[in-house]
This record gives sequence, structure tokens and C-alpha cells, in this order.
Amino acid sequence: GAGVSQSPSNKVTEKGKDVELRCDPISGHTALYWYRQSLGQGLEFLIYFQGNSAPDKSGLPSDRFSAERTGGSVSTLTIQRTQQEDSAVYLCASSLAGRGENTGELFFGEGSRLTVL
Amino acid sequence: RKEVEQDPGPFNVPEGATVAFNCTYSNSASQSFFWYRQDCRKEPKLLMSVYSSGNEDGRFTAQLNRASQYISLLIRDSKLSDSATYLCAVDYDRGSTLGRLYFGRGTQLTVWP
Repeated sequence: GAGVSQSPSNKVTEKGKDVELRCDPISGHTALYWYRQSLGQGLEFLIYFQGNSAPDKSGLPSDRFSAERTGGSVSTLTIQRTQQEDSAVYLCASSLAGRGENTGELFFGEGSRLTVL
Repeated sequence: RKEVEQDPGPFNVPEGATVAFNCTYSNSASQSFFWYRQDCRKEPKLLMSVYSSGNEDGRFTAQLNRASQYISLLIRDSKLSDSATYLCAVDYDRGSTLGRLYFGRGTQLTVWP
């Protein structure tokens, strides 16, 4: 499809396990973002990629969280030693925003719902 | 203090009503402002950008008040299909975090028949 694709759509894991969440942005979008949304909460910014580099990682909540992007396309968010407070919907978004530009239109994927037992 | 604050609601209004939401932001240097719509258990989607002069798109009107640092969204003649959560989004520092948006918690709207 032409939209942002995320997988898995749902993930249930046990506390202490590692998880990987994948995002395939819209083709040609240089900017990619990870946000997370807990029940009843707003979107919490995690990390932003411009191409393969991440100029802003300030939202990652701890060193258990990491993300990479390869080929200017697919991104993977990894959470190590998951905790119950990591349970949330992890949303990926992409946009055409580049240096000096910001249309503000982020195109979101449907999210990966993570439940840590 | 959060960067973006919204009244979470919920707002429950009958069809045909006019409803308004406000959103305040903390950084006076912010330059770009947006309203997103999020349906239950779905991803957010851009509803409209907010321009300095105010802008209208059909039944929706968005306004920006820089002096008081808030943006507003007005929905006229509410429809059942307007039921959703409305998120305001504000950019923060275009110099070093290009493209990053801060989102409010969202205001929940339910339109009843």
C-alpha cells in the first residue's frame, strides 16, 4: 500500500524480553518519527530521523530504547528488557519535511500495540 | 509545564451544535500549528493547519492567537461523524529539531443524535 506500514500490529510479551517494532515509511519521505501513546495520553515523542541519522533522540525514555533506520527507509525500534510501563501503542510517522521545511503533515501508521505482562 | 495543553473533555454535543476547542502552547518561538483528528483505536490524521490570519475549511475554522499563545478549533453544524479526539500539534524548535511536533493529549468529542 501507499501508506506507512507498521508491524507487528499487536505484540504481547513477558516482562524482561526484548521486542522489535518495524516501520516502513511512505516512499520518498525523508523524515521519520516514532511516538508512543499510552491509554488516555497524548502522543509522546521518542525519536526523529532525517535520512539515516537521528538528530533528535531526546524523547527515548531510557537506554533500553534504541532505534535505527537503514537505506533512508525502514526503521526499527528496539526495546530491551521490557517493563510493564512500556505497554503502549507505538506510532511511526513519516513526512516530506526536510531542512528548512515543515509542512506539518505527518502520515502515521496504524501503530504497534505492545502489551508487557 | 507541558509544551502543549488541551482540555481533555469530553465534550458531548447534539447534532447541529457548534463546539470550540482551545489549546495553549508554552514556546513563544513556535511557528507551525496544526489540528489532527484521531478516531478510536486509529492513527491521527491531519485535519487542518492553523495560519496566522485564521483559516476555514467547510464547517471547521482554526485560529491562532500568538499574544496569548493559544490555537482554537471551531466546528459548526456538528455531525455524528465528527465524533473523535482532536489533537493540537505545535512545532517547537525549527532550528535543531526540524519537523518535530509536540502534541496535546487531545480533546474528546461525542456528537449525539
